[in-house]
Amino acid sequence: EAGVAQSPRYKIIEKRQSVAFWCNPISGHATLYWYQQILGQGPKLLIQFQNNGVVDDSQLPKDRFSAERLKGVDSTLKIQPAKLEDSAVYLCASSLGPSGSGSSYEQYFGPGTRLTVT
Amino acid sequence: AQSVTQLDSQVPVFEEAPVELRCNYSSSVSVYLFWYVQYPNQGLQLLLKYLSGSTLVKGINGFEAEFNKSQTSFHLRKPSVHISDTAEYFCAVESTSGSRLTFGEGTQLTVNP
Repeated sequence: EAGVAQSPRYKIIEKRQSVAFWCNPISGHATLYWYQQILGQGPKLLIQFQNNGVVDDSQLPKDRFSAERLKGVDSTLKIQPAKLEDSAVYLCASSLGPSGSGSSYEQYFGPGTRLTVT
Repeated sequence: AQSVTQLDSQVPVFEEAPVELRCNYSSSVSVYLFWYVQYPNQGLQLLLKYLSGSTLVKGINGFEAEFNKSQTSFHLRKPSVHISDTAEYFCAVESTSGSRLTFGEGTQLTVNP
């Protein structure tokens, strides 16, 4: 079974430029997550999709970050304009369904995109 | 809301020695608990999880963890580590009603020959 795919693996941009990351989840996984992992910290959830609808985007800086999941499969995360503090690894994960009501679905993580903003 | 504290940011050990990585959590509701491992330049991989039932949970690669509700802890243990266990380990929590997965800051385990 193919895992979660992400591209690019590495990206270097200057501040105020824009950047986009792409994620292809495991086939059949309805729930997709984007996390930000700053060096030395644990991942922090930015946004969670259930199919093509947003479930939780409370920690997404909406003035500069946007994400979409058209057709409920692939997803893109965009930053415009980037700031120095956006330097991090952006992880995409997917699961069969959302956790809740006494159940928990394992999240499968992609390799991440390492973003450096100079 | 939930929070996780990993008590050690770095744990160096010698090969074949036992290791314990400590994790405490805070929550006002029932939770699920997880340990993930992250190898360099890779995503996170689930080691083990506690959902309910037995408080001693066994995972992959010989790791196990014990859920202690009274001490709100979920420490990870391995009786004998290998060089290949060198990685970053993350403890995580989510509420049983379906909150976001909240991670600790991570513990870097370094196994030396």
